[in-house]
Amino acid sequence: KNEVEQSPQNLTAQEGEFITINCSYSVGISALHWLQQHPGGGIVSLFMLSSGKKKHGRLIATINIQEKHSSLHITASHPRDSAVYICAVGMGGGADGLTFGKGTHLIIQP
Amino acid sequence: KAGVTQTPRYLIKTRGQQVTLSCSPISGHRSVSWYQQTPGQGLQFLFEYFSETQRNKGNFPGRFSGRQFSNSRSEMNVSTLELGDSALYLCASSAVPETQYFGPGTRLLVL
Repeated sequence: KNEVEQSPQNLTAQEGEFITINCSYSVGISALHWLQQHPGGGIVSLFMLSSGKKKHGRLIATINIQEKHSSLHITASHPRDSAVYICAVGMGGGADGLTFGKGTHLIIQP
Repeated sequence: KAGVTQTPRYLIKTRGQQVTLSCSPISGHRSVSWYQQTPGQGLQFLFEYFSETQRNKGNFPGRFSGRQFSNSRSEMNVSTLELGDSALYLCASSAVPETQYFGPGTRLLVL
């Protein structure tokens, strides 16, 4: 069973700061997902990674398969980025029994 | 394209009852997965259906079951509800093996 650890659990930062959230897992995977959950429950899938780096707007996700580690970066953070960010790993494509981290609760203060 | 829809959005039941939740995937998506989210355990995988067949199942008791119809719509059923079943139930659809799209969830409260 894959163990997924996220850090930090909670993060409060000022608007404009560069944010990094880390995710480590214990067993080799085929894909890693970064999810965003706003208050009220809605989840948005931000990235699915199997190698390298992806960028979407101010968000950047990287993965190092050898080190079993991924990072999610937010540049020029904004209060609307306040949410819980969840890392999830899977052994196959698509759903295939994702294992989730506990999430990082991010608050961006104006 | 319309997103993933789940009904109902909120539900209150009492212990011992059963409940059925529904999920309509994005048009063309054949994979539907279900997840349970609780404050204590976080997000946990329940099961995944693809073309009406259950492909994967998480570590949940047999009281949790599901099915998928020929139009890819999926239902999950929980029988003999327990207080601990109170949770947010999320479904997600995907055009395997691509990114999953999550629905808004059904918030179940068991009294």
